[in-house]
Parts: sequence; C-alpha cells; structure tokens
Amino acid sequence: QKEVEQNSGPLSVPEGAIASLNCTYSDRVSQSFFWYRQYSGKSPELIMSIYSNGDKEDGRFTAQLNKASQYVSLLIRDSQPSDSATYLCAGITGGGNKLTFGTGTQLKVEL
Amino acid sequence: SAVISQKPSRDICQRGTSLTIQCQVDSQVTMMFWYRQQPGQSLTLIATANQGSEATYESGFVIDKFPISRPNLTFSTLTVSNMSPEDSSIYLCSVESGGGTEAFFGQGTRLTVV
Repeated sequence: QKEVEQNSGPLSVPEGAIASLNCTYSDRVSQSFFWYRQYSGKSPELIMSIYSNGDKEDGRFTAQLNKASQYVSLLIRDSQPSDSATYLCAGITGGGNKLTFGTGTQLKVEL
Repeated sequence: SAVISQKPSRDICQRGTSLTIQCQVDSQVTMMFWYRQQPGQSLTLIATANQGSEATYESGFVIDKFPISRPNLTFSTLTVSNMSPEDSSIYLCSVESGGGTEAFFGQGTRLTVV
C-alpha cells in the first residue's frame, strides 16, 4: 500500500456544488495531514492542515480526519471555477518532518 | 508564512551539463527541503538540508547527482549534475513554518533538458 493515496480524477462538479476530495493513508503515516492546491504551472499552496480527529473548517473549506478508517477528506462548498486545480494530500512520514504526498486529484468546476 | 524566492524560474539546458538552483528564505529556518515534480506526477522529496551538516538524501537520490549546499539558515542550493532528458522536471524548495510542520514552497524551477 502506498503511504498516501488519492484518486487522480478528474473530478468534475458544477459551479456552486460541494466538491469532495478523499485521501487514504497507511500505518507509516503519522496523523498530521495537509491539503495543498496546485494550479497548472504553479507551486503547491497550503490550504488546510488537520491534526485531530474530526472536522476543521476554514471558509469554504472543511478538512475531515478519520483516524480509525485512515482517511482524510477535503470538502469545498460553493465550488467556483477558480477552484479548478490539482489538490494534493500530504502526511508526515519517517517519524520526523518528511512530507509524503499523494498523487493528487484534479478538480474541474464547470460553469 | 515564510517568503521563499527560488531561481531560476525556468531553464533549458543541454544534456551533460549542470544547473544550480538557488533558494532564499526571508527568515531563518532549521530545515530546507528539495522536491522534484516530474511531468504529471506528484512531489517526491529529494533531500533535507540542515545548516552545518550534510544533506540527508531519500532513497533513489544520491549526492553525486544532486549536491546540496546549506551555508546558512536562509539559503540553500541544489545542483542537478550531468543532466539527461529524464531530469526534466520542476524542482521545488520548501521550508516549514516557524511553529510546526506546515510546509511552504518556493515558486519552483522548471527544468528542461534537451
């Protein structure tokens, strides 16, 4: 099993809908997780971090962590065309500060 | 979050040559990280650079190919040596925020080897 896994997509949602992005992780990943947004040709931008079981909300974004099931999700409410990007899930591995990334999910928000 | 300046932003290089990428941070940081993102792929950690010690390389990456310098707490360089077309990638410098493990990235260097 890969340490951090994501469905590559593309995930297409209509404008105004909720986009749900999912990520699963292995036992080798400690329970600090991050969601990055990467526009084409740009570097990753941190949008959410989550360390505790449950939900964390920031504006239109909600991160969810379920330690028992080993998954992390990112919900984007009221999706906008500007949210169209690749979303990378990352977790800490190696017992230190090493970030391991999933392959990313491409999100397309359609008008 | 730290402001990270990386240069060059892009370059086209001949195979067999070397390119040095610079990363400058606006604040002192303990660790700096170098990643590679191959076309259509996710990020792979190349090495972790600590000031005053040799860089720690991940499996599949060696110092002879990717020598790293870390002369002080705000600066690092990554050299891609003896380049081949397979080295064509985006190379990214990253640092952690002062309070935890959140990582922030420079704008990246898009390298094309011909």
